[in-house]
Amino acid sequence: EVQVVESGGGLVQPGGSLRLSCAASGFTLSNYWMCWVRQVPGKGLEWVASTNRDGSQNESVASVKGRLTISRDNAKNSVYLQMNSLRVDDTAVYYCARDSPGRSGPDVWGKGTTVIVSS
Amino acid sequence: DVVMTQSPLSLPVTLGQPASISCGSSRSLVHSDGITYLNWFQQRPGQSPRRLIYKVSNRDSGVPDRFSGSGSGTDFTLRISRVEAEDVGIYYCMQGTHWPWTFGQGTKVEI
Repeated sequence: EVQVVESGGGLVQPGGSLRLSCAASGFTLSNYWMCWVRQVPGKGLEWVASTNRDGSQNESVASVKGRLTISRDNAKNSVYLQMNSLRVDDTAVYYCARDSPGRSGPDVWGKGTTVIVSS
Repeated sequence: DVVMTQSPLSLPVTLGQPASISCGSSRSLVHSDGITYLNWFQQRPGQSPRRLIYKVSNRDSGVPDRFSGSGSGTDFTLRISRVEAEDVGIYYCMQGTHWPWTFGQGTKVEI
């Protein structure tokens, strides 16, 4: 079964760090761009970042540049989101997702992991 | 950034009747490769989003054929030919032509 499963969410204080992980299975990770999308509960979807097949190209929304960094380890079938200098407005459900075909948005989504930034 | 504007934001529907959602972009979504990367997603209550349509009009596997997408340039439409109870949820358009990718605000479809 093709799936992605997120982990690593939790409660963190403003200014703190967190690393989200995404385990991919049922497909060859190295063949796909991957991304993170977030959603504040009760609000809309916001694309956060994408990484190309080998991790050599990363794109992210301006509001997270320099703080949230996407990466991948194809050998471990994993994608990551390193979250530093977290702010209250980073509080959201974070979805890991596969982008296929390219630029067509996520065709496979995880169930999401919740990040709460609060003092 | 490309602003995606959906209308209506709330759509009361009648079972068995058609429904449509409009999505407009602040600039053309035609990529330099000639492809228009406009995609539609459905999010049922309590669930992760699910892609319905990609590149304007291509239906994803398993998506009922009552869903269709159309449009070009900056104006796009998602149509449901006959609404069923399972179609309740929030629908989002999303552009993948220009970085950063952006989503519309969402349209809540309710019976």
